[in-house]
Amino acid sequence: GAVVSQHPSWVICKSGTSVKIECRSLDFQATTMFWYRQFPKQSLMLMATSNEGSKATYEQGVEKDKFLINHASLTLSTLTVTSAHPEDSSFYICSAPTSGASYEQYFGPGTRLTVT
Amino acid sequence: QKEVEQNSGPLSVPEGAIASLNCTYSDRGSQSFFWYRQYSGKSPELIMFIYSNGDKEDGRFTAQLNKASQYVSLLIRDSQPSDSATYLCASGNDYKLSFGAGTTVTVRA
Repeated sequence: GAVVSQHPSWVICKSGTSVKIECRSLDFQATTMFWYRQFPKQSLMLMATSNEGSKATYEQGVEKDKFLINHASLTLSTLTVTSAHPEDSSFYICSAPTSGASYEQYFGPGTRLTVT
Repeated sequence: QKEVEQNSGPLSVPEGAIASLNCTYSDRGSQSFFWYRQYSGKSPELIMFIYSNGDKEDGRFTAQLNKASQYVSLLIRDSQPSDSATYLCASGNDYKLSFGAGTTVTVRA
């Protein structure tokens, strides 16, 4: 079946550096992908909608200059956390919609980011 | 007010019992409703989705939707230790999902 992958699965970076997370749809095309963030013991919060070939749409309160999203192809969206700080440490999960009418989404396995 | 609220839990049930999870949502424009299971450190896994009023059964799981009351529930019958996880309720407006905070379920052997 369709699979969404993420790379890396975990990353540790120093405060002030940038880190890029990739989200790929493996056997289907995704013109839209979604990026979520989950802090420990909290639920998933939608950060932004990634649109192939156009600008991402960010949710209220998410800094678009800090969380750069690029959706350059039909199978790849990237999220770059710029000038990362310890408060950006979180579990980042991407998803892509299925083609069904139920609005179901395929979720990636997530990327654990730790900023030291 | 949060868009999706779940009973706070944690919920502890003996093996073989029924676990009952509840969820309310505020956005009347929501079209689809989902129950996900999430193990610690992992991504959510879809258990069921429902978009019509009434009950939907899939194996040991039954979801119920009442749009008039803006209420969604999930019953887990014959609970197994492997069902121990956090259960997330989500409402969907088009493809945008709003998640509840989750209810942690522990099934005691």
